[in-house]
Amino acid sequence: GESVGLHLPTLSVQEGDNSIINCAYSNSASDYFIWYKQESGKGPQFIIDIRSNMDKRQGQRVTVLLNKTVKHLSLQIAATQPGDSAVYFCAERYSSASKIIFGSGTRLSIRP
Amino acid sequence: EPEVTQTPSHQVTQMGQEVILRCVPISNHLYFYWYRQILGQKVEFLVSFYNNEISEKSEIFDDQFSVERPDGSNFTLKIRSTKLEDSAMYFCASRATSSYNEQFFGPGTRLTVL
Repeated sequence: GESVGLHLPTLSVQEGDNSIINCAYSNSASDYFIWYKQESGKGPQFIIDIRSNMDKRQGQRVTVLLNKTVKHLSLQIAATQPGDSAVYFCAERYSSASKIIFGSGTRLSIRP
Repeated sequence: EPEVTQTPSHQVTQMGQEVILRCVPISNHLYFYWYRQILGQKVEFLVSFYNNEISEKSEIFDDQFSVERPDGSNFTLKIRSTKLEDSAMYFCASRATSSYNEQFFGPGTRLTVL
């Protein structure tokens, strides 16, 4: 069945340090894995995606890693800033559909 | 920067009443979605809409729900007879033709059913 989940519900990081948010998935048939960020009082915001045939993809200050062997997805945020405080959702999508299946979120809080 | 807008920001209704949640997607987008998020839980897909018809819907989207694009700019979600468990944040989203994974979400409408 469809299942995307997260290892930890909360993560506290010192400002300036790197953050790593992890996610486990169970459905190997997904074609894309996606990270969304949700700030308080706002809708989810796309961060980055990765196709299932890739291992790594980099964006601006963010890197997504995909390990298909252990069905693990991670989001790395470099030099974490106060504005990175949010709930981060991993998500997946099949090529045959346009809906996005969200996992449970991880709340990232930044210590000054 | 273009954005998805939603009205109202908060809707309070009595159980059994009909509600209509309104969305204005980004103007050149052709794919539209409704998602909901029960407080503290993950975001759940409800329905996708393209070319004036539903392209996909979830089990949540039963006969009590309907969507409509009444004109060239609005996209609405109607719940015919609200139940207590319909209380949630409802998000509208839209995307461009070429960006399958990047959906632009509105700020949401908080629906409270009493």
